[in-house]
Amino acid sequence: KAGVTQTPRYLIKTRGQQVTLSCSPISGHRSVSWYQQTPGQGLQFLFEYFSETQRNKGNFPGRFSGRQFSNSRSEMNVSTLELGDSALYLCASSTAGTDNEKLFFGSGTQLSVL
Amino acid sequence: DAKTTQPNSMESNEEEPVHLPCNHSTISGTDYIHWYRQLPSQGPEYVIHGLTSNVNNRMASLAIAEDRKSSTLILHRATLRDAAVYYCILRDYAGTYKYIFGTGTRLKVLA
Repeated sequence: KAGVTQTPRYLIKTRGQQVTLSCSPISGHRSVSWYQQTPGQGLQFLFEYFSETQRNKGNFPGRFSGRQFSNSRSEMNVSTLELGDSALYLCASSTAGTDNEKLFFGSGTQLSVL
Repeated sequence: DAKTTQPNSMESNEEEPVHLPCNHSTISGTDYIHWYRQLPSQGPEYVIHGLTSNVNNRMASLAIAEDRKSSTLILHRATLRDAAVYYCILRDYAGTYKYIFGTGTRLKVLA
């Protein structure tokens, strides 16, 4: 089975722009979750989607949004980029997103905001 | 929010056992304890998880305290490839479920 695929691998944007990141989960996985990783704050949960519905959400401003398609692929969008949004964005997939499942992570998208 | 506390860093000699501790004193009765590790330039990788009983798999063992307020990840024989940041994770319900990552323990393995 192919693993979790995130595109693009690297991205450079300027303040005020918006960005869309993509995540293709493992085939058969219906839960996709997103995380932001920075040196100062570590790994922080952004949100989780299951069957095209946002099921859980972390403490991030409304500029961070996402969606999931019928094939379980997911995108996250960040509008009005700020310098502090520079981070590694990771997505993870699992079969149903329950507490007793493994998460499978992608390699991430490294976003730099200039 | 449920929180996990881990030492920032630990060192181990190659081929010796390593015990990585995690404190989670506010854990709820239904929270599973997960461990992941992250190698440089990669996403986190699953290691092990458990609820109440100790767990073993080919990578590691997980020892869970009787009161569940702490757990220990045990690598039986550390290798250089085990050098990574190890995260102890809970899922916390505060309105909606979210995964809470600790700060992680950076494990250095000495040859």
